[in-house]
Amino acid sequence: EVQLVESGGGLVQPGGSLRLSCGASGFIVSTYWMSWVRQAPGKGLEWVASIRQDGDDSFYVDSVKGRFTVSRDNAKNSLYLQMNSLRVEETAVYYCARVYCIGGNCYFDYWGQGSLVTVSS
Amino acid sequence: QSVVTQPPSLSAAPGQKVTISCSGTSSNIGNNYVSWYQQLPGTAPKLLIYENNKRPSGIPDRFSGSKSGTSATLVITGVQTGDDADYFCGTWGYSLSTGYVFGTGTKLTVL
Repeated sequence: EVQLVESGGGLVQPGGSLRLSCGASGFIVSTYWMSWVRQAPGKGLEWVASIRQDGDDSFYVDSVKGRFTVSRDNAKNSLYLQMNSLRVEETAVYYCARVYCIGGNCYFDYWGQGSLVTVSS
Repeated sequence: QSVVTQPPSLSAAPGQKVTISCSGTSSNIGNNYVSWYQQLPGTAPKLLIYENNKRPSGIPDRFSGSKSGTSATLVITGVQTGDDADYFCGTWGYSLSTGYVFGTGTKLTVL
């Protein structure tokens, strides 16, 4: 059974840093792109970042470029999101999601339960 | 704000047919497959439809999807109270590096 479990969320002051982790099980992590998606309270979904299977390529939504870094440790079946210079408006539940790709088409086929990040003074 | 738009809310009585629209552009929906995600209250999103019209294992055939040009549609036939949820469409931009775009989301209320 595929499982994704996020951890590391919490309360952080504006301008502060936080590192989220996502532990994966039930599949070979090294064969999949992985992503982070966030959802502000009462709002819609927003893609944040994606990272290639080998970790050598990653993409970000414009609003987090230069501040967030996605990484992975395939030996530990883990995905990470290092978030620096956090802003109040980035208060959200952050989801880890597996990216399934076939024939050039990709979609999020499994999601974690989410980790709440609250940015507030 | 998302460039892929959905109606903010819809309501339906049990047993009715519900249609949720998803409108994009040639930069996203027009050149990519569309997926749909269901988010029940207080839970994580779940994949409902992929590649415009395919259902993952375990998704009832009451849910169907289609795409035409720069728009996509999710249809729920015989809606049930358990379908009361938020629904999001989504697709990639020109490439993975462009990023994934979610629709604005539709809150379906089953009365």
